[in-house]
Amino acid sequence: AQTVTQSQPEMSVQEAETVTLSCTYDTSESDYYLFWYKQPPSRQMILVIRQEAYKQQNATENRFSVNFQKAAKSFSLKISDSQLGDAAMYFCAYRGSGTYKYIFGTGTRLKVLA
Amino acid sequence: GAVVSQHPSRVICKSGTSVKIECRSLDFQATTMFWYRQFPKKSLMLMATSNEGSKATYEQGVEKDKFLINHASLTLSTLTVTSAHPEDSSFYICSARTEPYEQYFGPGTRLTVT
Repeated sequence: AQTVTQSQPEMSVQEAETVTLSCTYDTSESDYYLFWYKQPPSRQMILVIRQEAYKQQNATENRFSVNFQKAAKSFSLKISDSQLGDAAMYFCAYRGSGTYKYIFGTGTRLKVLA
Repeated sequence: GAVVSQHPSRVICKSGTSVKIECRSLDFQATTMFWYRQFPKKSLMLMATSNEGSKATYEQGVEKDKFLINHASLTLSTLTVTSAHPEDSSFYICSARTEPYEQYFGPGTRLTVT
């Protein structure tokens, strides 16, 4: 069975600095999708970034980028120029090809210090 | 686009009563919707997959007779918590699938059983 592990329960970053959140996963599939979701205090889940496993190029969305290491089964999220509004829980999620189900990690709480 | 709503956002009910939570896809048709449960400071746990016009598929350990799911139309799925008990108090989140396999999440419903 697939698993998703986020080993950092909590991280802090100074405003305007860069922070990297870690995520590892375990799967025997070769084709799958990975996601980072943000859950602010409102509890609304917001898609931050997605990565298709067949793409070698790391996904980027403005200040958010990923470091996807398929062989190592690692999918970290880098947030550049951190802003106070980035403070939230961040969940890494896995979805296998051909399935609709997401498997979520346990989350990392990000604090942004002014 | 791809907006999902939930109603109510908060509900308090007495032990032994039933409560219904609605999940609507506002600007797209969703053949598949998902129901998650989230405990405080925890990850999302998939409860069931709801397919329009057919019976829901429940995850292992989820009581189908307690958590009744109905997906009557392409834009509406409902979760009814029957004979609620204080241990059912939680945050319930729905999501709706768009093509190809993306999920968009509702804002969640906080259920408190007294």
